[in-house]
Amino acid sequence: KAGVTQTPRYLIKTRGQQVTLSCSPISGHRSVSWYQQTPGQGLQFLFEYFSETQRNKGNFPGRFSGRQFSNSRSEMNVSTLELGDSALYLCASSSSSGRKDTQYFGPGTRLTVL
Amino acid sequence: AQSVAQPEDQVNVAEGNPLTVKCTYSVSGNPYLFWYVQYPNRGLQFLLKYITGDNLVKGSYGFEAEFNKSQTSFHLKKPSALVSDSALYFCAVNRGGGSQGNLIFGKGTKLSVKP
Repeated sequence: KAGVTQTPRYLIKTRGQQVTLSCSPISGHRSVSWYQQTPGQGLQFLFEYFSETQRNKGNFPGRFSGRQFSNSRSEMNVSTLELGDSALYLCASSSSSGRKDTQYFGPGTRLTVL
Repeated sequence: AQSVAQPEDQVNVAEGNPLTVKCTYSVSGNPYLFWYVQYPNRGLQFLLKYITGDNLVKGSYGFEAEFNKSQTSFHLKKPSALVSDSALYFCAVNRGGGSQGNLIFGKGTKLSVKP
């Protein structure tokens, strides 16, 4: 099976712009989660989608949003970019939304905000 | 509040020696524990997980981890380290109960294996 794919792999934006990141889960997986990784804060949970519904949300401002499509692909959007949004954004998929399930991660999108 | 602690920022080991990467957790309810590895400029790769049952869990690439409920620990181990094991290792917990599945990660431990 193909793994989790994320596009684009690298992005450079300027403050105030918005950005959309895309994630395609492993075939058959219905749950997609997003995480932000920075040197200072480490790995932090953004949100989780299951069957097109947001099931869980981390402690991030409303500028961070996401959605999931009927084919389980997911997008996350960040509006009004700030310098502090520079990070590696990781998407993970699992077969369901249960706590026991293994989450499989994509390679990430490296976002740089100038 | 749930939390995971990895007390060592870096672990240095000689190739061929055993390695241990430490993890302790704090969670109410049954903990579901995971170890992931991250190589430079890559995403996280799943190594192993503890759900229930045998306290010694075997995973990928010869890694294993021991769940200790009384010490609330889940240390990652390998009998003989390889240079290629050098990477960043993350411990994570997903609290039992309910259906929502987000991981809480430790800060990570950089493992350096020298020839």
